[in-house]
Amino acid sequence: QKEVEQDPGPLSVPEGAIVSLNCTYSNSAFQYFMWYRQYSRKGPELLMYTYSSGNKEDGRFTAQVDKSSKYISLFIRDSQPSDSATYLCAILNSGNTPLVFGKGTRLSVIA
Amino acid sequence: GAVVSQHPSWVICKSGTSVKIECRSLDFQATTMFWYRQFPKQSLMLMATSNEGSKATYEQGVEKDKFLINHASLTLSTLTVTSAHPEDSSFYICSARLRGRGAFFGQGTRLTVV
Repeated sequence: QKEVEQDPGPLSVPEGAIVSLNCTYSNSAFQYFMWYRQYSRKGPELLMYTYSSGNKEDGRFTAQVDKSSKYISLFIRDSQPSDSATYLCAILNSGNTPLVFGKGTRLSVIA
Repeated sequence: GAVVSQHPSWVICKSGTSVKIECRSLDFQATTMFWYRQFPKQSLMLMATSNEGSKATYEQGVEKDKFLINHASLTLSTLTVTSAHPEDSSFYICSARLRGRGAFFGQGTRLTVV
């Protein structure tokens, strides 16, 4: 079993829809959870950073962590064509260890 | 927010030459930086962990003599692709972690070897 599983999509939704992106992980030692957005030929941009179970909201984005189920989600409200990108979940242990990434989900928001 | 700057954003070089890519943390110190490689439509592949003042730690299958990493200061790490060949053409990205804030990425460098 891979450390982080993420459905690669592609996912296509109409403008204004609520988007739900999800990842599961296998190692209960993981402590920090991140979501990145990556546009084509650009570096990943950090959207959300959380370290506890529950919800964290930032504008149209909500990150949700369920440590008991080892399940993390990113919700995008009122999706826009500019949200079309690849979304990567990433999980981190303590110390200076590298991120463990999901494969990324390609999202297209259709106007 | 924390900024990681990577330079150049793209480079074309002739086969057999060397190319240096710089990664700087602009507003924070990073004792550890990470270098990734990404092929089209694929996820990031960790190449090595760059440690300030010591040798880099390379992932299995990554040639340390080909991909030279130097982390001379708390804000600068460099990746040098030596004797580049067309198969080294790829998108290279660096990252630095800021404790309590997450990990931040550079803009990436698109290398084309002709």
